Amino acid sequence: GDSVTQMEGPVTLSEEAFLTINCTYTATGYPSLFWYVQYPGEGLQLLLKATKADDKGSNKGFEATYRKETTSFHLEKGSVQVSDSAVYFCALSDRGNAGNMLTFGGGTRLMVKP
Amino acid sequence: DAGVTQSPTHLIKTRGQHVTLRCSPISGHKSVSWYQQVLGQGPQFIFQYYEKEERGRGNFPDRFSARQFPNYSSELNVNALLLGDSALYLCASALGPTTNEKLFFGSGTQLSVL
Repeated sequence: GDSVTQMEGPVTLSEEAFLTINCTYTATGYPSLFWYVQYPGEGLQLLLKATKADDKGSNKGFEATYRKETTSFHLEKGSVQVSDSAVYFCALSDRGNAGNMLTFGGGTRLMVKP
Repeated sequence: DAGVTQSPTHLIKTRGQHVTLRCSPISGHKSVSWYQQVLGQGPQFIFQYYEKEERGRGNFPDRFSARQFPNYSSELNVNALLLGDSALYLCASALGPTTNEKLFFGSGTQLSVL
């Protein structure tokens, strides 16, 4: 079945540091790929998505590129801020199913220190 | 506009009891999905409903059931609660049922089973 694996956290960075959170996936079809962010006490929010190979999703300075050859969708940001501290989830949705079910990775907690 | 609202926000039950969780989608959204998020893990898909019909079901026992009402709100029911059912239960709504639709998540109901 479908699965998503992402690097374990917590990831602790200083403000303005470069961020990479690794994500790899296994899927039988041609999935869409997503990054969601969860701030403390809140629900998940869509950060960015990519729907086909070589697409780059971007939002709020974050970006990720859909790499079919390496089955990866790594999240990057050039300069993190304290306000980026949250839990980040990589997810996929396999177009083979008729619904919009998401398969999530285990999440990576990011802590940014001033 | 109101986002996805869930009630109650917190709930404490004992083993063997039954629980009902409620979700109101964003106005105009006809698809509702339920996810279970165990502490420290990513959300796991439980159900999706669209236009009052079940469109998908995850790998959960029959103790879990759900329904969607004519106003598109939804209930998740769990019978014979087990300690392992303790989790954050997330509801997500979308305009339509497919992969291409953006999901909007509520803040969740935190269920503790003692």
